[in-house]
Amino acid sequence: GNSVTQMEGPVTLSEEAFLTINCTYTATGYPSLFWYVQYPGEGLQLLLKATKADDKGSNKGFEATYRKETTSFHLEKGSVQVSDSAVYFCALSDSWGKLQFGAGTQVVVTP
Amino acid sequence: DAGVIQSPRHEVTEMGQEVTLRCKPISGHNSLFWYRQTMMRGLELLIYFNNNVPIDDSGMPEDRFSAKMPNASFSTLKIQPSEPRDSAVYFCASSLRGTGGEGYTFGSGTRLTVV
Repeated sequence: GNSVTQMEGPVTLSEEAFLTINCTYTATGYPSLFWYVQYPGEGLQLLLKATKADDKGSNKGFEATYRKETTSFHLEKGSVQVSDSAVYFCALSDSWGKLQFGAGTQVVVTP
Repeated sequence: DAGVIQSPRHEVTEMGQEVTLRCKPISGHNSLFWYRQTMMRGLELLIYFNNNVPIDDSGMPEDRFSAKMPNASFSTLKIQPSEPRDSAVYFCASSLRGTGGEGYTFGSGTRLTVV
């Protein structure tokens, strides 16, 4: 079956540092891939998505590229802010639109 | 659109009491999902509906949990009787099935505390 594996947290870094969160997946067919973000006390929000191989999703300075050859969808941001502190979830969607989430990675950005 | 609306935002109840959580999905969405989030287990899919019909309830932890979707604009998740281990944040999400590239829209969640 489908599965998503993402790096464990917490990831702690200083403001303006470079952020990478690794995500790899196992799936049949050609899933769509997503990153969701959850700020404290809130629900999950869609951050970015990619629907086919080599697509790059981007939003709010975050980027992720759909790599079919390595079955990966790593999230990156060049310069994080304190406001980026949140839990980040990688997910894939099967052909029916049902999402499979990773375990989530907590990111803590310090001033 | 106001997004996915859940109520109440917070619920504190005594063990043994019945709890009902409510969700209004985005108009036009035909799939609805109920999730539970805890520190220990993370995000768990409890049940999902398509066109108001339950498709997969294998994530419902036990018979104390039940969910209904009487129409396209309303769903409930009921716990009867509630237990302290049911304390968690419960999220509802909706999507338009068949558009696998769109993902879900989540509500803000209901934080349930059973004492």
